[in-house]
Amino acid sequence: DQQVKQNSPSLSVQEGRISILNCDYTNSMFDYFLWYKKYPAEGPTFLISISSIKDKNEDGRFTVFLNKSAKHLSLHIVPSQPGDSAVYFCAASEVTPLVFGKGTRLSVIA
Amino acid sequence: GAGVSQTPSNKVTEKGKYVELRCDPISGHTALYWYRQSLGQGPEFLIYFQGTGAADDSGLPNDRFFAVRPEGSVSTLKIQRTERGDSAVYLCASSLTGGQGDTQYFGPGTRLTVL
Repeated sequence: DQQVKQNSPSLSVQEGRISILNCDYTNSMFDYFLWYKKYPAEGPTFLISISSIKDKNEDGRFTVFLNKSAKHLSLHIVPSQPGDSAVYFCAASEVTPLVFGKGTRLSVIA
Repeated sequence: GAGVSQTPSNKVTEKGKYVELRCDPISGHTALYWYRQSLGQGPEFLIYFQGTGAADDSGLPNDRFFAVRPEGSVSTLKIQRTERGDSAVYLCASSLTGGQGDTQYFGPGTRLTVL
């Protein structure tokens, strides 16, 4: 049973527009959430994180929103750039090992 | 380089053989993690080391899988009697202290193919 779900396998967005990637989780014990970005033939690269005591965290063009009551988080990228094209993984943790979703492939079209 | 390195980058073996996958973490990182990523899936946790000891090995799928980190730095993941279902990308990550908010830095992975 998947504890972290990314229901959209892929997303296409025009350059300059906003990209919104969604993630749902089922384990209410998760209290730390992260987004990783992965290019082909490379390992995942940390992007941004949020603790359950917050509902928003920003870092430049990237913002993560957490809705604990809905067990939902989202990653907003604005403005989207062609270099953002990659697979994005949502991850959550209760202690240290991360539990990952299946990923969403983002394509930013110039 | 300063990042996590993994060798080999690719490994092809036959069913029933033994394989070893190596991970060199970032210097000074005390925590080391192994994950496995199958096609179309996200990385799946296997084992976590804090220093030389395995702090959590709950993700190892069965007793054919074993990992060591004898000096608290390099780690080796060992798979005995490989099966076709073991084919995946094996990812290693390290973090400075192993705390929950500590960023895990991933290596490029070893792609294992069992024929």
